[in-house]
Amino acid sequence: AQTVTQSQPEMSVQEAETVTLSCTYDTSESDYYLFWYKQPPSRQMILVIRQEAYKQQNATENRFSVNFQKAAKSFSLKISDSQLGDAAMYFCAYRRRRDDKIIFGKGTRLHILP
Amino acid sequence: NAGVTQTPKFQVLKTGQSMTLQCAQDMNHEYMSWYRQDPGMGLRLIHYSVGAGITDQGEVPNGYNVSRSTTEDFPLRLLSAAPSQTSVYFCASSPPTGRAAEQYFGPGTRLTVT
Repeated sequence: AQTVTQSQPEMSVQEAETVTLSCTYDTSESDYYLFWYKQPPSRQMILVIRQEAYKQQNATENRFSVNFQKAAKSFSLKISDSQLGDAAMYFCAYRRRRDDKIIFGKGTRLHILP
Repeated sequence: NAGVTQTPKFQVLKTGQSMTLQCAQDMNHEYMSWYRQDPGMGLRLIHYSVGAGITDQGEVPNGYNVSRSTTEDFPLRLLSAAPSQTSVYFCASSPPTGRAAEQYFGPGTRLTVT
């Protein structure tokens, strides 16, 4: 069965600094997608960034980038120039192409220190 | 577009009662899913559907039923509510993986079972 593991329940970072959130996953599939979602206190789920497994190039979206290591089954999220609005719960998610099943990790709560 | 809508937003049930959480989307998405979110547990997949007439079990399906008679609607039924089902429930929809599609989430339903 597929699993997604986020080993850091909570993290803190100083405003304007860089932080990296970890995610590892377990799968026997070769064709899948990975996502990072952000959930602020409003509970709304917001897509931060996505990565297709067949693409070797790491995805970037403004201050957000990933380090995708397919062989190691690792998908970490780097947030540069952290801002107060980045404080939220961050979830890593895996979607397998074969049947579209999507599962999430347990999340990492990110605190931004002013 | 209204996106993904869920009703009700809040619900209190007594143990043993049954109820249906409603979910609808107006984006013509084939894929729909239900998650429950509990502190420290992340989002856990309950059931999902890849199209009308097709449903499958997720990670925690026991105590829940679903059906998908139309593309738009994906109701979640609690057969006999238990305190362990106290949670926040999210419905989500997306196009199929061909476009590395993100999921669109509803606002959530907070359910308390006493």
